[in-house]
Amino acid sequence: DIQMTQSPSSVSASVGDRVTITCRASQGISSWLAWYQQKPGKAPKLLIYAASSLQSGVPSRFSGSGSGTDFTLTISSLQPEDFATYYCQQANSFPPAFGGGTKVEIK
Amino acid sequence: EVQLVESGGGVVQPGGSLRLSCAASGFTFDDYAMHWVRQAPGKGLEWVSLISGDGGSTYYADSVKGRFTISRDNSKNSLYLQMNSLRTEDTALYYCAKVGISGWVLYYFDYWGQGTLVTVSS
Repeated sequence: DIQMTQSPSSVSASVGDRVTITCRASQGISSWLAWYQQKPGKAPKLLIYAASSLQSGVPSRFSGSGSGTDFTLTISSLQPEDFATYYCQQANSFPPAFGGGTKVEIK
Repeated sequence: EVQLVESGGGVVQPGGSLRLSCAASGFTFDDYAMHWVRQAPGKGLEWVSLISGDGGSTYYADSVKGRFTISRDNSKNSLYLQMNSLRTEDTALYYCAKVGISGWVLYYFDYWGQGTLVTVSS
C-alpha cells in the first residue's frame, strides 16, 4: 500500500502570508494527487486534483505542484477563511490513501 | 445541485451491527462509483470502501474487510454500508463521497455528505 506523509503537521501563519504544505508518497503516483480543505464540523472540500488542477470555484490563491513522490500545496496569500486542515490523497492505486493532515492556524 | 445525505449512525456495543445509508440526488447516481470514508474523533481521514456504479465491483480497507459490506440500490439512488462485528476503533464520523468522473472507481472525491457518527462503546 502507498503511504502519504504530510509536513508540517501544523503551521502558524498570519493573514497575507504565503503558506506551503508538502505531501510525499511512499512510491511514485505520477500526478494522481488531490488536496482537500476541511473546516471544523464540516466535510472535506476538494481544492486541487491531478496535482495541479484547480477545482471549479476554488480561489486562484490555491495552487498545487509536483509529480512522482513529492507534491506541494501553496496558498499565495492566506485569507481568514483559509484557516483549516488540509489533506492530500493519492488516487494512483488501491487503497486510496490520505495524508495525516496539516492544520493551518492563526499566528 | 448534488446532495449526499448520510443516516443510520448511533451508539452500539462492541460486537454489534449498524447499517448506514447515503441518499444521493442531483446527479445520475448509477454513473458514478461511491465511497465511504471515515474520520475518528480528532483524527485524519481513512478510506473505508468503494462500490462501482453498477454495483459489480467492491473494495475494502484491510481494517474492515470481512466485517463491512458496501452495497447500493440504484433504483433508490442510495448507498449503504452494513457494519458487523463492530469494534471500539470503528468509532468515527462516516462520510459517503462521490468520485469526480463517471465510470472510474478510483479518483478524487468531488462531493461529500455531512457524515453520520458511529460510536462503538460498552
